[in-house]
Amino acid sequence: EIVMTQSPATLSVSPGERATLSCRASQSISTKLAWYQQKAGQAPRLLISGASTRATGIPARFSGSGSGTEFTLTISSLQSEDFAVYYCQQYDNLPPWTFGQGTKVEIE
Amino acid sequence: EVQLLESGGDLVQPGGSLRLSCAASGFTFSTYAMTWVRQAPGKGLEWVSSIGGSVSRTDYADSVKGRFTISRDNSKNTLNLQMNSLRVEDTAIYYCAKNSGTIAVREVFDSWGQGTLVTVSS
Repeated sequence: EIVMTQSPATLSVSPGERATLSCRASQSISTKLAWYQQKAGQAPRLLISGASTRATGIPARFSGSGSGTEFTLTISSLQSEDFAVYYCQQYDNLPPWTFGQGTKVEIE
Repeated sequence: EVQLLESGGDLVQPGGSLRLSCAASGFTFSTYAMTWVRQAPGKGLEWVSSIGGSVSRTDYADSVKGRFTISRDNSKNTLNLQMNSLRVEDTAIYYCAKNSGTIAVREVFDSWGQGTLVTVSS
């Protein structure tokens, strides 16, 4: 089973600033990496697949990068609606699909 | 617009059973694999089970294998999860999700329902 590790656990950022979230896989997953956003009390929403391809309707301020074992989600200029928990997920070596433990992006 | 509506969550005693359903609309249901993901209170996301579009493939997390059964009725656009021998640690919100492809291999979950709460407690 591939273990996904996210850092940091919590990220405190001011609106308008850049946020950088990291995700590491325990073995290479090529670019089979997705990012999901979950706001409080809501279901998760797919943001990015293939490590860098934004899902339909996702703003351009969200960008993903990386391959192999190291991945990054960048939010270029945080908006109020972006404060949420973000999960990475691998979908290369299945089953099981595995998620990281999440990074909470909170208002500084 | 894709819509997924879960139902069936309830309070159940340890050892009991429960059947969750997910009504799907807004897409050709039979074409896509479907998945259940759960989230324990205050915790992260855990994949539970997936089923291929043509029901040719099913997969389960080790934590539920032998106790849960995923199924689908393509004529009714419905996904089901039969949960037997429930344990306290099965307490979670259960989300139904649509896969991005057909065969539940190397796919992401591109649409999610709002979830249904299962509480296992005596």
